Amino acid sequence: EAQVTQNPRYLITVTGKKLTVTCSQNMNHEYMSWYRQDPGLGLRQIYYSMNVEVTDKGDVPEGYKVSRKEKRNFPLILESPSPNQTSLYFCASSLRLAGVGELFFGEGSRLTVL
Amino acid sequence: QKEVEQNSGPLSVPEGAIASLNCTYSDRGSQSFFWYRQYSGKSPELIMFIYSNGDKEDGRFTAQLNKASQYVSLLIRDSQPSDSATYLCAVASGSSYKLIFGSGTRLLVRP
Repeated sequence: EAQVTQNPRYLITVTGKKLTVTCSQNMNHEYMSWYRQDPGLGLRQIYYSMNVEVTDKGDVPEGYKVSRKEKRNFPLILESPSPNQTSLYFCASSLRLAGVGELFFGEGSRLTVL
Repeated sequence: QKEVEQNSGPLSVPEGAIASLNCTYSDRGSQSFFWYRQYSGKSPELIMFIYSNGDKEDGRFTAQLNKASQYVSLLIRDSQPSDSATYLCAVASGSSYKLIFGSGTRLLVRP
């Protein structure tokens, strides 16, 4: 089954404790991206990747890191989480760079930072 | 000014009516336009995309694009209660691989 898998789906953590949200897709997609969704603000792009070892900042990259060492995986790293990073996070992928908006989304990861 | 703007709603229509959802964008270099549907508690799902001026139809959905007016819309014909969801407009820049979402319009279809 074609899918984007995120883990964990739910996480409660404390300020400053490093965490990683994993994202994996099994569709051989070129493009992968991370979004956060907050009430009233919609989906905001954090980082995106056009291919292995090629990443770029979205609109809200502060406090986040990413890496793309393999085509299928695109983890999101919060080195020192803060309460303002409490949010619903989505990983998404697209088959081709020319179709970056034709995204297939993961189920989301709800993160709470205390 | 937000880059992609949508009326938050809710837009309430009776079952069987046409629902019209609108979106404006600020970047004149934008090349491609997308509509996603998001049910409460679920992830967004792509329902339409349009790359050229004019109309594009897919079943009960029609996307309309007017680049001169920087306006894109989604029409849902014969609306059903199952169409009740938040509809997100997204715009891809012509100069980067960024995708910018609007904050969404909540649609409520009354039985």
